[in-house]
This record gives sequence, structure tokens and C-alpha cells, in this order.
Amino acid sequence: DTAVSQTPKYLVTQMGNDKSIKCEQNLGHDTMYWYKQDSKKFLKIMFSYNNKELIINETVPNRFSPKSPDKAHLNLHINSLELGDSAVYFCASSHRTGGLSGANVLTFGAGSRLTVL
Amino acid sequence: AQSVAQPEDQVNVAEGNPLTVKCTYSVSGNPYLFWYVQYPNRGLQFLLKYITGDNLVKGSYGFEAEFNKSQTSFHLKKPSALVSDSALYFCAVRASYSSASKIIFGSGTRLSIRP
Repeated sequence: DTAVSQTPKYLVTQMGNDKSIKCEQNLGHDTMYWYKQDSKKFLKIMFSYNNKELIINETVPNRFSPKSPDKAHLNLHINSLELGDSAVYFCASSHRTGGLSGANVLTFGAGSRLTVL
Repeated sequence: AQSVAQPEDQVNVAEGNPLTVKCTYSVSGNPYLFWYVQYPNRGLQFLLKYITGDNLVKGSYGFEAEFNKSQTSFHLKKPSALVSDSALYFCAVRASYSSASKIIFGSGTRLSIRP
């Protein structure tokens, strides 16, 4: 059983389109994240949700909108795609953050490679 | 502000030799420190972490890391490298004082083990 699963694995689309990436975790974690990995492999956090509540929202264009229907799912919707959005997007999850639990380990999905033409 | 530096983009080691992948950090207060590994076309996988206590931390696949507070470093080590250790390695840090603090990743170091 895949612990953190993302779909689709690959996504090729035209500039200006709107697309979504879905993420689901079956680990019973309360916190989920979206990370963006660029072509140079830099990994940067975009959003974090804890029990469906947004707790981290980095400086990300508002074309990116996360949605968490329940604590096992965190989807990422991107409007008006631009060339610079091409990257690999990773979903991750962990147990609740805060205190010593801030040392909780992240479990990552396999990534969704987005290519904007 | 928190930051992590991995000064080497690439480390090349012969199989059987010891390896070190360097990491230094900057954070207010005490850090939580992590190492993750990424194989091609895969997500990151957890290797080991330091929270408190013994400065030498042992992790998966024979890796270990040493926390050095005075040098603000958390270098990853392995006594004898395997070809299968070739991958991209990320160091990460989180400040322990705040539940709102983020996990910040370094830029990654590509480890290449030659047979």
C-alpha cells in the first residue's frame, strides 16, 4: 500500500490552462504539505495543512490554491499556468507539528512532474 | 531566520571508502536536524534525525551523522560506501522553539559512488 500517493505522476499542459494535482495519505497523519522542487533540485515548501486548517502559506502566487477536504487529502489547484510553474511537486505528510512533535518525520509522495509548454 | 547550507553540489567517492556529506545550519535556539535521500524519480526518504541527547545519530542503510553545536554542523557519514548509496542527499532543519516553524531543506548534494 502506498503511504502517500499523488496523481497524476506526469502532467504536460499549455500555458494559461488550469490543472489540479491530488494527494492522499493513508498513514493517519494530521499534517500535510506541498513542496516544489525546481530544475536545480531546490526544495521549497509551499503550503502546510493541519487537520484541514492552513498553517503555512509561503509566498506563493495566488494562482496556487490548496484544498483539504479532510485530513487525509490535500489537493493543489493551479490557475493560469505559466512556464515557470514547470517543476516537480511533492506532497508529504507527518504527525502533528508542535513541541517535540516538531521533530516528526515527513513521508513524501513520489512527486508529480508538471511541464508547462 | 532559519537556513541550511550544503556547500558541495557533488561528492565523488570510491566504493568501500568512507564518505562525508556536509551540512551547516543557522537557527534560533535548539535545532531539529534531518537527513533525507532522494533516488531518481522518487520522493525523499527519511534517513535519520537529531532531536537531543547523543551527538552521534545512527540511521538507515548504515548512515550516521554527528551534531556539532559549536560548528553548527550536522555532517552525514558512512564508513564504507556502496554503489547503491549514489543518490541526492538533503539536509533539513527546523527550529524547536515554535510550533509554527518550518522545515527548511538544503540545496542537496549529489553523492556518486564509483565501483
